[in-house]
Amino acid sequence: SAVISQKPSRDICQRGTSLTIQCQVDSQVTMMFWYRQQPGQSLTLIATANQGSEATYESGFVIDKFPISRPNLTFSTLTVSNMSPEDSSIYLCSVGQLGQKNTEAFFGQGTRLTVV
Amino acid sequence: DAKTTQPTSMDCAEGRAANLPCNHSTISGNEYVYWYRQIHSQGPQYIIHGLKNNETNEMASLIITEDRKSSTLILPHATLRDTAVYYCIVRPFNTGTASKLTFGTGTRLQVTL
Repeated sequence: SAVISQKPSRDICQRGTSLTIQCQVDSQVTMMFWYRQQPGQSLTLIATANQGSEATYESGFVIDKFPISRPNLTFSTLTVSNMSPEDSSIYLCSVGQLGQKNTEAFFGQGTRLTVV
Repeated sequence: DAKTTQPTSMDCAEGRAANLPCNHSTISGNEYVYWYRQIHSQGPQYIIHGLKNNETNEMASLIITEDRKSSTLILPHATLRDTAVYYCIVRPFNTGTASKLTFGTGTRLQVTL
């Protein structure tokens, strides 16, 4: 298993500003992902964070709005840029391993973002 | 990924078995059935996964029909702490993005006294 720490756990931000969310894992992991969970909804994958290269974004998500960094195998950041109230959501970091028998994903506790 | 269909919500009395069904009629031969749950204000938690044989671990049992078109997650003795949204997901096993998940709407299980 992997222990994932996300910071901040919650924040209230002004529209037009940006917030960077950090995801720290207690061990090296192959795969890291960022999800969004809008109020009352299920989780939607934003992107795959690739170590040493640009993130791979899902349909409907773009780098200018959600820039992602992954400088090493234990850390990633997601920035929510130029925020609007529609960006109010829970943002979750998830990790997984390649080539392992158990391919389950592990999730952080999430960052609850409110944009006012 | 194959699409899954789950009931929107279910109730279960504490101490009784909770049986959560999932339909995945378009599942392909290399796809596994995974179950996760999300307790309120927490990230999703892995429960169990299987291919075609029934599986059991310390959390739950997974029963997959012989034609693999449906499955049932069984919590043998539900407690109040099992109240959560349960997600059934089908995914290829051990691929480059095996842990990249597509979540449906899930089943909201309410365990009551």
